[in-house]
Amino acid sequence: DAKTTQPNSMESNEEEPVHLPCNHSTISGTDYIHWYRQLPSQGPEYVIHGLTSNVNNRMASLAIAEDRKSSTLILHRATLRDAAVYYCILRKGGSEKLVFGKGTKLTVNP
Amino acid sequence: DTAVSQTPKYLVTQMGNDKSIKCEQNLGHDTMYWYKQDSKKFLKIMFSYNNKELIINETVPNRFSPKSPDKAHLNLHINSLELGDSAVYFCASSPSPYTEAFFGQGTRLTVV
Repeated sequence: DAKTTQPNSMESNEEEPVHLPCNHSTISGTDYIHWYRQLPSQGPEYVIHGLTSNVNNRMASLAIAEDRKSSTLILHRATLRDAAVYYCILRKGGSEKLVFGKGTKLTVNP
Repeated sequence: DTAVSQTPKYLVTQMGNDKSIKCEQNLGHDTMYWYKQDSKKFLKIMFSYNNKELIINETVPNRFSPKSPDKAHLNLHINSLELGDSAVYFCASSPSPYTEAFFGQGTRLTVV
């Protein structure tokens, strides 16, 4: 499984944008980039995913570098409820597995 | 109207016992999973079922046996519990094996 690298932790202030980076230099052409988050004492929650183009949904935006070796999850206005561990995952096309790494623990300050 | 529900939420048991964790999803999904989150917070897939058939079994000891009586349920039975089995177990489901997964709230298993 291709590996991702994320910072262990990040801090943000409420109502400010947050950019969560992820490096995946060994990504292959069939790997999808998935983001999940896990709020304290809860199960993981799907955030967004993409292959090559940038993606937007009601929760976040995903910006994918042209060479696909990195991506950034963008929370446009952080709220206290966005405090969670954010996981960047490469999922091979046709694979059933989500392989979770350590993720980035996001702290949102009031 | 919880989408993926697990019972019990907490389970404390002695070493050597046999226990089951139940999982039900009301989303009409074809694929269900069990994940384990250990004390270091790493999440690892254990099993995946698609249309009641096992499609992933990730080097899990055979003391762990999943059972899928129908597409909406995937139960996890654990025999001869060991201290190292203490973890949070998450059930999840997805419309197909390749789409976004919806997770339950987890079952915290403590073996004493």
